[in-house]
Amino acid sequence: SQQGEEDPQALSIQEGENATMNCSYKTSINNLQWYRQNSGRGLVHLILIRSNEREKHSGRLRVTLDTSKKSSSLLITASRAADTASYFCATTPPWGAQKLVFGQGTRLTINP
Amino acid sequence: EAGVAQSPRYKIIEKRQSVAFWCNPISGHATLYWYQQILGQGPKLLIQFQNNGVVDDSQLPKDRFSAERLKGVDSTLKIQPAKLEDSAVYLCASSGSGFVDEKLFFGSGTQLSVL
Repeated sequence: SQQGEEDPQALSIQEGENATMNCSYKTSINNLQWYRQNSGRGLVHLILIRSNEREKHSGRLRVTLDTSKKSSSLLITASRAADTASYFCATTPPWGAQKLVFGQGTRLTINP
Repeated sequence: EAGVAQSPRYKIIEKRQSVAFWCNPISGHATLYWYQQILGQGPKLLIQFQNNGVVDDSQLPKDRFSAERLKGVDSTLKIQPAKLEDSAVYLCASSGSGFVDEKLFFGSGTQLSVL
């Protein structure tokens, strides 16, 4: 079953604008990860945020985590055409082995 | 560093036929995952191996799906017999040791169409 729900399901913006995607999840987590998937390709890891962290940055990416609301957001600043892809959040439970459960994804389109 | 290799890239079969997918993880990675991704959805974990042992196969339809990872390296996922609803992309991923803070490395997937 899907753990995370991304919002919006699809997002279309102009190049240079910022893109924000949200992820909500249902149960406690150990960490939350964001992945990107270009059309017809596998997923690529973007960033991992642990349950005791609130914000993390990597280049043009900024991820926040609010465990009280069971939600996370991914901000991509100064978007580029190459950022066009689907973005998925994935969570790991706080017990047992690594088991990533993915959400439905947000389809991001950057218009030139 | 070579990535996760999967083959074939595409496969078209008729329902009730059998099909097999192959995956070679990143060298040295102990943990291997098979995910099913239906069009428009996120990946769903089918089975997870730690070396050559199964860690989780709770969502694997065992009446028709099987997977093995002999010698703890490459892996094969088989469907027999296939149903129309098995049409999806089958993604293989690997990670170093399966610890909870590890990222996964994905292959490009095998796109299966069942007619």
